[in-house]
Amino acid sequence: GESVGLHLPTLSVQEGDNSIINCAYSNSASDYFIWYKQESGKGPQFIIDIRSNMDKRQGQRVTVLLNKTVKHLSLQIAATQPGDSAVYFCAEKGSTGANSKLTFGKGITLSVRP
Amino acid sequence: DTEVTQTPKHLVMGMTNKKSLKCEQHMGHRAMYWYKQKAKKPPELMFVYSYEKLSINESVPSRFSPECPNSSLLNLHLHALQPEDSALYLCASSQELAREQYFGPGTRLTVT
Repeated sequence: GESVGLHLPTLSVQEGDNSIINCAYSNSASDYFIWYKQESGKGPQFIIDIRSNMDKRQGQRVTVLLNKTVKHLSLQIAATQPGDSAVYFCAEKGSTGANSKLTFGKGITLSVRP
Repeated sequence: DTEVTQTPKHLVMGMTNKKSLKCEQHMGHRAMYWYKQKAKKPPELMFVYSYEKLSINESVPSRFSPECPNSSLLNLHLHALQPEDSALYLCASSQELAREQYFGPGTRLTVT
């Protein structure tokens, strides 16, 4: 079946370094993707989104890259800070059929070392 | 204002109790969602409301009953729950279906 997954369950980075969180998706019909950050005890927080007609989008300290050829999504965080420690989820939306719901990936924990 | 509020923050209920979870947003969003999240798992969609009408029910057991009294409010009525229903229940809203959803902090539900 279709699925959204993440390559690694945990990622540990040094404060100040750049982080790259990867996500593989299998639904080639997906046309919209979102990255969420979830801190302990809180709801998911929207970080950045990208539509399938783009391959890159930048926000404040974050960049999302979309490679539709290999169905790969990544989130890059520049100058990672302790406050970036959280679980990160990618989510996709199909363009047809179930077009009113997001499918979330498994989640990856980002741990920032001081 | 991108805030979605949920009450209560924590809820403990017995299997014979009836309780309700509440969600509110004042962003003018016309789509609202209920998700269930188990520990260390991604959110799982339960219900979607669009323009105050139920749009999607992801085969959720009838012991969960959603209600959308108006465009700003979303309730989830709970009755005869099972211990395995213990989870974090998240509400979200968005301007359009499935786009840029904003989540509330969730209600931590424990069924005893």
